[in-house]
Amino acid sequence: QKEVEQDPGPLSVPEGAIVSLNCTYSNSAFQYFMWYRQYSRKGPELLMYTYSSGNKEDGRFTAQVDKSSKYISLFIRDSQPSDSATYLCAMILPQGAQKLVFGQGTRLTINP
Amino acid sequence: DVKVTQSSRYLVKRTGEKVFLECVQDMDHENMFWYRQDPGLGLRLIYFSYDVKMKEKGDIPEGYSVSREKKERFSLILESASTNQTSMYLCASSLRREVADTQYFGPGTRLTVL
Repeated sequence: QKEVEQDPGPLSVPEGAIVSLNCTYSNSAFQYFMWYRQYSRKGPELLMYTYSSGNKEDGRFTAQVDKSSKYISLFIRDSQPSDSATYLCAMILPQGAQKLVFGQGTRLTINP
Repeated sequence: DVKVTQSSRYLVKRTGEKVFLECVQDMDHENMFWYRQDPGLGLRLIYFSYDVKMKEKGDIPEGYSVSREKKERFSLILESASTNQTSMYLCASSLRREVADTQYFGPGTRLTVL
């Protein structure tokens, strides 16, 4: 079993839809959670960074962490064609090697 | 803004060649990382470094080496390139070892080995 599981998609939705992207993980020691967005042929860019359980909102994006279920989500409201990208979840332990553990990434397409 | 730059966006090399990929960050970060990204396999950590002249093996170090002579620069070396090293290579940096922090990525180098 992988430490972090993420449905690779692809996921295709119409413009304006609410998108939900999810990851599950097995190591309960993870404390910091991130979402990266990666456009085609580019490097990943940090989208959201959350600590422990709860919600964090930034514009049209909301990151949610449920540590009891070992489940994190990214919601995109009013999705736009420019949101079409691969979304990677990542997480890190509070101590140690500072290595990020990534999900496989979900490829998202927003259709105009 | 953190800026991580990589020496080449696209590179084509022949089997057996020695290949150097360079990465520079301008935010005085202590930690630097090299990944490769392949379809269906996600990002895999090759090597990382906490400080000048220090290096640690990641999950897939075979066939690679690294060099960190200056804090801002981290080089990935393919001693004898092989076709199975055709991939997207990504460099990243983060603040320092004691701090669990996010990583900032460069634009990537797409390497093709013929």
